[in-house]
Parts: sequence; C-alpha cells; structure tokens
Amino acid sequence: GAVVSQHPSWVICKSGTSVKIECRSLDFQATTMFWYRQFPKQSLMLMATSNEGSKATYEQGVEKDKFLINHASLTLSTLTVTSAHPEDSSFYICSARASGVFGEQYFGPGTRLTVT
Amino acid sequence: KQEVTQIPAALSVPEGENLVLNCSFTDSAIYNLQWFRQDPGKGLTSLLLIQSSQREQTSGRLNASLDKSSGRSTLYIAASQPGDSATYLCAGNQAGTALIFGKGTTLSVSS
Repeated sequence: GAVVSQHPSWVICKSGTSVKIECRSLDFQATTMFWYRQFPKQSLMLMATSNEGSKATYEQGVEKDKFLINHASLTLSTLTVTSAHPEDSSFYICSARASGVFGEQYFGPGTRLTVT
Repeated sequence: KQEVTQIPAALSVPEGENLVLNCSFTDSAIYNLQWFRQDPGKGLTSLLLIQSSQREQTSGRLNASLDKSSGRSTLYIAASQPGDSATYLCAGNQAGTALIFGKGTTLSVSS
C-alpha cells in the first residue's frame, strides 16, 4: 500500500510555456502533500507544502506565482510551472502524508522537466 | 529550522566490506528519521524509518540507529555488494513538518 504516482514521468517544453505535473495518492487519502525539486548532483529541496482545500505554503526563495500548487482533493495535488525557463529544468518529486501530523511521507517517482 | 548533514559525501569500498554512513541533524526534537536510496536519474527508495520513540531499525543487511541527544543517525551496511552502489540520503522532520534532506553520500562498491 501507500503508493504515490506522478504524471508525466518526463516532459520537454519550450521556454515560455507552462507545464502541469500531477501527484496522486493511489490507495490512501493525503491531507498534506509536499513538492520538492532536485538539481543534478544535488539533494532534494523542499519547495512547498500543500494542504487539501487551502493555499500552499512556499519555502523562502520559491516564487509562488511561478510555481502554482493546487490541492483540490485528498488524492490529487498539481504543480504548474508557469512561463518555464531553462533554469527551471529539474527533477520534481512529490510526496504525500497518509494521516495526521505523525504520518509517514510517501514519495512519487518524480518528473523530469527539461525546458528548451 | 532543521538542518541535516551527511558525511562523507562520497565513499568507495571493495565488495564485502562493512561500512557506516553518518547523518547529523541540528534539532533534537526530531520525529521521523528516514534513510533513502537513490539510483542515478531515479526516484527515492525508502530503506528504513526510525520514529521518535525508536532507537534503531533493521532490514536485511541494513541497520539504522538514531541518537536524538547527540543529533546523529548512522546507517550500517553489512557485507557490501556492487548492487549497493547508489546515493544514500538521510532525512528528518519534526511532527507535522516536511522531511528535510541531507546532501547524501554517494557509495561505490567495487567487485
């Protein structure tokens, strides 16, 4: 159990366009989801925390108007990279927390974004 | 805010060696401490999760310990194999917050 999926697994887009990444908890309800990004040869950096039905909380230095997060249901969160630029090329990973504040975080397989 | 540090950044060992990866964290009020494995270009594989009330967890050749008072966790790998070559990430959080990751230790096991 506790499976998290992401779609797409990889995407190539042109500079200036927007890209939406979906994160789904397949077999549990997730009141809280987290978005991370990972640049080559670096560790995962937390971008934002989203709670179902409320606005996401962004980490310092992450532009909320550029990285739009929607957590409209207990099984789906989306990250939209707006007006993407080559420097947004990265590996984006979501995770979902099963229940309450003590629940384990389960991670999706990641989405590799390349902006040309 | 929680900070996680991993030492060493890279490690090369011959097959069969036992090895220890180290992780330190700044806030002793840690709730979950988790070790992950990441292969190049891939996502995360959870290895071991140690919760606040626990001191260690074991899975096969892997053993992870947690010492909250000293702010340290170790991952012990017994009888290393070439298939163990990967980056190992340590992550911790306080209750209710997101996991914060260290920069990882890249392990290379030669046959």
